[in-house]
Amino acid sequence: KQEVTQIPAALSVPEGENLVLNCSFTDSAIYNLQWFRQDPGKGLTSLLLIQSSQREQTSGRLNASLDKSSGRSTLYIAASQPGDSATYLCAVRPRNYGQNFVFGPGTRLSVLP
Amino acid sequence: EPEVTQTPSHQVTQMGQEVILRCVPISNHLYFYWYRQILGQKVEFLVSFYNNEISEKSEIFDDQFSVERPDGSNFTLKIRSTKLEDSAMYFCASSEARRNNSPLHFGNGTRLTVT
Repeated sequence: KQEVTQIPAALSVPEGENLVLNCSFTDSAIYNLQWFRQDPGKGLTSLLLIQSSQREQTSGRLNASLDKSSGRSTLYIAASQPGDSATYLCAVRPRNYGQNFVFGPGTRLSVLP
Repeated sequence: EPEVTQTPSHQVTQMGQEVILRCVPISNHLYFYWYRQILGQKVEFLVSFYNNEISEKSEIFDDQFSVERPDGSNFTLKIRSTKLEDSAMYFCASSEARRNNSPLHFGNGTRLTVT
């Protein structure tokens, strides 16, 4: 069964810092991996989708990498801003186990002004 | 930008009552999903729907749950007889295609509170 973990569970940084969020998954047989942002009491906003054949994707200040063989992905946020404060979730779409997205528990990010 | 919309945003119901949660997926999308998130826990898959039938469902999606696409735009989740443990945030999602090259787009969710 595919399991997804995220480290750290929570992170607090001063504004302007670059930071890295980590995601690990137990089975490398995936179609893709998607990073989401969730604001308190709100839905999930898609940030980046990386296909299994890709190594990274970039959108503005966000860069996501994927190392499928080691079961890891990182989300890099450059020059963090208070508006980046949210919970960041990663999810993988496994080739097995029903093929629907399996989510990690999230990293709660606070960017202090 | 097109988005998934869900109504209501918050539903309070008594144990044993039936509830229907409504979703309007993005118009050109073909695959529809329901996920739920119990407070403080992970987002969990409930069911996926394609071509007017359930394509997959999880262990959570028991006989108390059903989904329907009653017309060309709405996608509903019905819980027949709600239990306290059904209290959660329910998210609808849609995607253009099931597998590669197709991100999930989520709605803002319906917070269901069962008392």
